[in-house]
Amino acid sequence: QLVLTQSPSASASLGASVKLTCTLSSGHSNYAITWHQQQPDKGPRYLMKLNTDGSHKKGDGIPDRFSGSSSGAERYLTISSLQSEDEADYYCQTWGTGGVFGGGTKLTVL
Amino acid sequence: QVQLVESGGGVVQPGGSLRLSCAASGFTFRNYGMQWVRQASGKGLEWVTFIRYDGSDKYYAESVKGRFTISRDNSKNTLYLQMNSLGLEDTAVYYCASAPNGLVDYWGQGILVTVSS
Repeated sequence: QLVLTQSPSASASLGASVKLTCTLSSGHSNYAITWHQQQPDKGPRYLMKLNTDGSHKKGDGIPDRFSGSSSGAERYLTISSLQSEDEADYYCQTWGTGGVFGGGTKLTVL
Repeated sequence: QVQLVESGGGVVQPGGSLRLSCAASGFTFRNYGMQWVRQASGKGLEWVTFIRYDGSDKYYAESVKGRFTISRDNSKNTLYLQMNSLGLEDTAVYYCASAPNGLVDYWGQGILVTVSS
């Protein structure tokens, strides 16, 4: 069964960097995913599509501070030079025989 | 620019029906798979259903299978979600999303559906 696993929470200081992880379930390490940001009381926003080889295609207007990388079944979202507006929930998503979302990571900017 | 605008939400009694619409613009709608995603208050995102670009294939989450129907009218650039036999557990904000090959790349602003007696 295709499952995406995310840590429920993460935190980092203003101006620092943070790396969020999305893990694909066993047997699904070759799947591409997408990353999405949801700021408080707002709808989700597409950040990027992330491929198995780490190549990624970002959405319109997504700053260079956001980048993606991959290693095996792990898909990463790195946010550098953290700003207060980066405090949000981050979701990964993929497609198998249906859509799948990770449980989301709540990022706190200290 | 890409715009997805949902409409048709509101309050409905348990067992009732509702039809959501999503008007698309700024891209070639007929070339893209589309899906609906929902989010209950304080919860994460839940995939609901997907339809291929030409309507040839449709996929549903187990939680809505047999009750919800996704459809599209490519001549009107509009996506639909017919929701029947609604239960309290269907209360959520419903998002329309473009999803080439099932991977979401644009979101609508969302529409609230409340099932309440």
